[in-house]
Amino acid sequence: LAKTTQPISMDSYEGQEVNITCSHNNIATNDYITWYQQFPSQGPRFIIQGYKTKVTNEVASLFIPADRKSSTLSLPRVSLSDTAVYYCLVGAGGGGFKTIFGAGTRLFVKA
Amino acid sequence: DTEVTQTPKHLVMGMTNKKSLKCEQHMGHRAMYWYKQKAKKPPELMFVYSYEKLSINESVPSRFSPECPNSSLLNLHLHALQPEDSALYLCASRGGRTDTQYFGPGTRLTVL
Repeated sequence: LAKTTQPISMDSYEGQEVNITCSHNNIATNDYITWYQQFPSQGPRFIIQGYKTKVTNEVASLFIPADRKSSTLSLPRVSLSDTAVYYCLVGAGGGGFKTIFGAGTRLFVKA
Repeated sequence: DTEVTQTPKHLVMGMTNKKSLKCEQHMGHRAMYWYKQKAKKPPELMFVYSYEKLSINESVPSRFSPECPNSSLLNLHLHALQPEDSALYLCASRGGRTDTQYFGPGTRLTVL
């Protein structure tokens, strides 16, 4: 199992860029890196996924170095509504018990 | 349609009741999951159905019983639950070669 390690919590202010780094030292060759966002009492929501280098979509960017032992989720210009828990998951197409949620990072955005 | 639906949204039950949680997806995904999430904790995987074959987290007590009537539906049957089983129960489905799961909104379960 590819275990992930993230900071427990982060604070930011509106309008700032936030970078959350996840360590996954034992990532396997066929593993993808996926980030989810979760608001209280809601299901996690898919944000972004990547395999290597950089991926960007309308809400975030994901930076993955060449060794793939870590990844950084970048949220540009956060707002109060970005206050949530962010989870980094590492796994291959098998999913299920091969992919485990880590503790996640609680991001608190202040005005 | 990337939606996973779950019913009911909220459920309160006594320890002697029998109830069921329901989950549905119409994305053609062949893997579906049940998770349990306690407050301020990450989701914990309980059961996986992949091509309607069941995999179990051995730590889940037998008072939880999953059922997959077809590839679009997933049920979780509850019987003789304990107050510590109160939690948010999440359903997810996964499709394709990558590990992207799509989650439902969850059922908030309270056991009295």
